[in-house]
Amino acid sequence: AQSVAQPEDQVNVAEGNPLTVKCTYSVSGNPYLFWYVQYPNRGLQFLLKYITGDNLVKGSYGFEAEFNKSQTSFHLKKPSALVSDSALYFCAVRDMNYGQNFVFGPGTRLSVLP
Amino acid sequence: SAVISQKPSRDICQRGTSLTIQCQVDSQVTMMFWYRQQPGQSLTLIATANQGSEATYESGFVIDKFPISRPNLTFSTLTVSNMSPEDSSIYLCSVAVQGDNEQFFGPGTRLTVL
Repeated sequence: AQSVAQPEDQVNVAEGNPLTVKCTYSVSGNPYLFWYVQYPNRGLQFLLKYITGDNLVKGSYGFEAEFNKSQTSFHLKKPSALVSDSALYFCAVRDMNYGQNFVFGPGTRLSVLP
Repeated sequence: SAVISQKPSRDICQRGTSLTIQCQVDSQVTMMFWYRQQPGQSLTLIATANQGSEATYESGFVIDKFPISRPNLTFSTLTVSNMSPEDSSIYLCSVAVQGDNEQFFGPGTRLTVL
């Protein structure tokens, strides 16, 4: 069975500082990994994905994530946080051997303080 | 990518009634999904909407409670039947596009049941 953990309910960071939102996963096969962001009263917006290739993937709005197979992690990072990055972030995994079913993590609320 | 709209965007309903949510995509897509996001929670997959056949429901969700239609490749409906306050959630439609690995989400329907 697939599962995703986001160990932090809340992350606070000062504007201009680097941010990290953590994600670990468990799948039986090879993972497809995704990050989504949800702003208040909005649907989910796709940020980035890891399918294969370079472990460091770059996505929208200056975000990037690093796939670490040995640690089964896919942490989301940004070098310099903006107040407008404040939102709810979801990590998701899809086991490539089991079709299109996504499993989402519980979400991490990011607050960027001015 | 795909542009997805949902109707209604929000509704307040009385217990015992039913609400049908519509999902429209701007292009033909291979797969459509319905998710539920309960207050303060992550996303849970309700079912995969199959074009021309019965939807595939996840464990804990049944057709009598959440009937789904998908008459063509760009449209689907989800009905929440015989509602109770526990059904108060955001309901999200998502799609998978041929050749893409990620899912794209609609803006969601915020349902409150009194």
